[in-house]
Amino acid sequence: GDSVTQMEGPVTLSEEAFLTINCTYTATGYPSLFWYVQYPGEGLQLLLKATKADDKGSNKGFEATYRKETTSFHLEKGSVQVSDSAVYFCALSDTNTGNQFYFGTGTSLTVIP
Amino acid sequence: SQTIHQWPATLVQPVGSPLSLECTVEGTSNPNLYWYRQAAGRGLQLLFYSVGIGQISSEVPQNLSASRPQDRQFILSSKKLLLSDSGFYLCAWSARGLYEQYFGPGTRLTVT
Repeated sequence: GDSVTQMEGPVTLSEEAFLTINCTYTATGYPSLFWYVQYPGEGLQLLLKATKADDKGSNKGFEATYRKETTSFHLEKGSVQVSDSAVYFCALSDTNTGNQFYFGTGTSLTVIP
Repeated sequence: SQTIHQWPATLVQPVGSPLSLECTVEGTSNPNLYWYRQAAGRGLQLLFYSVGIGQISSEVPQNLSASRPQDRQFILSSKKLLLSDSGFYLCAWSARGLYEQYFGPGTRLTVT
């Protein structure tokens, strides 16, 4: 079945450091891939998405590239800020399963000044 | 633009009491609607989803139920709460033909 695996946290970085959060997936069809961000006490916000292989999603300095050959969708940011501290979820939606989503377990990021 | 509302924002209920959480979506028609629960470990568990009025699919058998009395209203209920029902409940919607889901602000439920 479909699944998403993302790197275990928590991740702690200093401000302006480079961020990578790894995400790999398993899907039976043609998935769309997403990154969501959850700030403390809030719901999830869509951060970026990619709907086909080699697409790059980007938003707020974050980016991720849909790599079909490695079944990956790693999240990156060149210079993190304290305000980026949150939990990040990788997710997929597969054409074979309609609009059902499969979420990773989330990666907690803390950025220290 | 579309917005999604959930209420209440927080709720403290004793074991054995009933539950009703409400979710409404504005600015769209015929959305797919979802209820998720997020326990303390951060992961998201899909509880129910609905593709139309009165159409509910359950992902996890438990003492919770869901109803969709109107096109943009989704209700999560329980007749008798358990301690294990504590958690952060999130409602989400997606448009037909699009795959991304949009989440509400959540309801923090504590069962005592």
